[in-house]
Amino acid sequence: EPEVTQTPSHQVTQMGQEVILRCVPISNHLYFYWYRQILGQKVEFLVSFYNNEISEKSEIFDDQFSVERPDGSNFTLKIRSTKLEDSAMYFCASSERTGRNSPLHFGNGTRLTVT
Amino acid sequence: GESVGLHLPTLSVQEGDNSIINCAYSNSASDYFIWYKQESGKGPQFIIDIRSNMDKRQGQRVTVLLNKTVKHLSLQIAATQPGDSAVYFCAENPGGSYIPTFGRGTSLIVHP
Repeated sequence: EPEVTQTPSHQVTQMGQEVILRCVPISNHLYFYWYRQILGQKVEFLVSFYNNEISEKSEIFDDQFSVERPDGSNFTLKIRSTKLEDSAMYFCASSERTGRNSPLHFGNGTRLTVT
Repeated sequence: GESVGLHLPTLSVQEGDNSIINCAYSNSASDYFIWYKQESGKGPQFIIDIRSNMDKRQGQRVTVLLNKTVKHLSLQIAATQPGDSAVYFCAENPGGSYIPTFGRGTSLIVHP
């Protein structure tokens, strides 16, 4: 069964450094998402991406965050200057149609630790 | 504000019993609901979904019930197995949004 893959599985970085989290969505999916989950808390929406542009974003997704689909298969999340509170699991997801009509399929996440 | 929430943070059951996980939602405009299962160290895994024009949907060993009158969603797991132990999230699509909003999660513990 096709799946969403994410790399790395764990990223440790120092406060103020830039990180790039990578994702390969399911190949025939058209909608892409990033969510995050702080330990023991809810899965929170960050951003959605369709047709090479951001379609929706949350309050969490401020100017420190950006997304890109550089080559037609990868989907990346960049955090420009990490803060301690950015430590969380970051999940990439994709869906065949809009999230209003089809379920999201998630990767296994990247654990980001900011020290 | 309106939100999705769960009644019970932890549910413990014996192997072979049926499990019922509940979810309350407050946005009456929500029209699409999804249940996800999250095992330790993994991402949320789609289990089953239901649209607001239905009140019941069945899958393999799972049933989702939707009661729009009281804004309540439940996930029933038949003959619960140790492999069902996980955190279960309900998610809703508020009307006008294409983005699922997750509830807090219920931890299901299955004792052999």
